[in-house]
Amino acid sequence: AQSVTQLDSHVSVSEGTPVLLRCNYSSSYSPSLFWYVQHPNKGLQLLLKYTSAATLVKGINGFEAEFKKSETSFHLTKPSAHMSDAAEYFCVVRGRDYKLSFGAGTTVTVRA
Amino acid sequence: EAGVTQSPTHLIKTRGQQATLRCSPISGHTSVYWYQQALGLGLQFLLWYDEGEERNRGNFPPRFSGRQFPNYSSELNVNALELEDSALYLCASSPTRSFTDTQYFGPGTRLTVL
Repeated sequence: AQSVTQLDSHVSVSEGTPVLLRCNYSSSYSPSLFWYVQHPNKGLQLLLKYTSAATLVKGINGFEAEFKKSETSFHLTKPSAHMSDAAEYFCVVRGRDYKLSFGAGTTVTVRA
Repeated sequence: EAGVTQSPTHLIKTRGQQATLRCSPISGHTSVYWYQQALGLGLQFLLWYDEGEERNRGNFPPRFSGRQFPNYSSELNVNALELEDSALYLCASSPTRSFTDTQYFGPGTRLTVL
């Protein structure tokens, strides 16, 4: 079985400053890892995914994540936050049973 | 390209009734997944259908069931509704059942049980 732990339930940043969302995973096999974003009253949108190719993954809207097997981490970063980045972010792992396991989510607030 | 669509947007039922939620995947996608997003419980996997068959289910009672039609659209049925079934139900689709496929999500159906 696999699981995901998002280390911060809430992150607050100022516009223009870096964003770091932390995620640790647990999986018996080499997993597929994803970051999704959910804006209020909207569905989930894929930001990026890791599927055993390059360990540094670039996504949409300037986000990127680095897969570190030795640390079982998949942290999401963005160099400069924008007001439109305010949303809830989910780290997700997919194991060999094909189920997606979601983290509890990190709510990002961006201050003007 | 149209995304995943779900209907209805909102659904209000009373305890003990049955609810039916519908999902149309992205054209060409054969796999459909259902998730429940309940307050305080996060996102939980419910069911997975591929090529018309149920491939996997999460830790939910049998009163949660569904099916996938020949055109790959899907239906989620919840029988004997309970108050705690109130949640946002999300449907997702993927092109195949490949382990690395991305799942694309619809906007959800908000089910309220009174």
